[in-house]
Amino acid sequence: KNQVEQSPQSLIILEGKNCTLQCNYTVSPFSNLRWYKQDTGRGPVSLTIMTFSENTKSNGRYTATLDADTKQSSLHITASQLSDSASYICVVSARRSNFGNEKLTFGTGTRLTIIP
Amino acid sequence: NAGVTQTPKFQVLKTGQSMTLQCAQDMNHEYMSWYRQDPGMGLRLIHYSVGAGITDQGEVPNGYNVSRSTTEDFPLRLLSAAPSQTSVYFCASSYSGLAGVDEQYFGPGTRLTVT
Repeated sequence: KNQVEQSPQSLIILEGKNCTLQCNYTVSPFSNLRWYKQDTGRGPVSLTIMTFSENTKSNGRYTATLDADTKQSSLHITASQLSDSASYICVVSARRSNFGNEKLTFGTGTRLTIIP
Repeated sequence: NAGVTQTPKFQVLKTGQSMTLQCAQDMNHEYMSWYRQDPGMGLRLIHYSVGAGITDQGEVPNGYNVSRSTTEDFPLRLLSAAPSQTSVYFCASSYSGLAGVDEQYFGPGTRLTVT
C-alpha cells in the first residue's frame, strides 16, 4: 500500500529561524514528489515538484530535497516569516495503469507555527 | 483568471438530504478531481475526470456521484448525506493529469457538516 509519512506533526519556531520538515514515502511506481503549503481555511498551493532525477529544488526561501534511493524528502524553510505559518503537505505521485494518469498519495502534513 | 472556484463555502445538511457541490475552472484544464480532507488524514481522492464525458472513481467514491458535461465544470453530488460525509471538500484541476509534472491547482474548499 502506498504511504507518505511526515514528521514532525507540528512545529513551533521563532520568526527568522530556519526549519526542516521531513517526508518518507513508500510509493511505486514513483513519478514525482510535491510539496504543498496549505493556509488555514484554504486549498493547498504547490511549492515544488521534483522528478526522480532531481535532488534539490528551490522556490524562494523554500528548498526541497529528494533522495529517491532512501525514499526521503525534506523541505527547508530559511529565515521564516509569520506568513509561513501553515500546514505543509508532502505528496507523492505514482503512475496509474489506466489512462497513464497520476495517482497522488498525500501525507497528513506538518503544522508549522511561526511566533514573533 | 479566477482559477478553481467552489461553491458553497459552507453547508450544513441533515442526514438523508442531497446536494451538489459546484466546481469550475477557467484554465482549460482537462483533468479535474474531487478530494475530501479529514482531520489526521491526508487528502483522499473521491472521483476524477480526464476530460468532458469521462469520469472514474477514486479511493473513496461511495455515496458520491459526478458528471463532466463541459471542460469547465465538475459538480460533486451527495445522494443521501450521512454524518460520515462531514468533511472539507476540495476540487482540483491540472492540464492533463498524465503522469508527469503537471501542477495541480486546488479550489478554496467547501466545509460540509452533516447532522
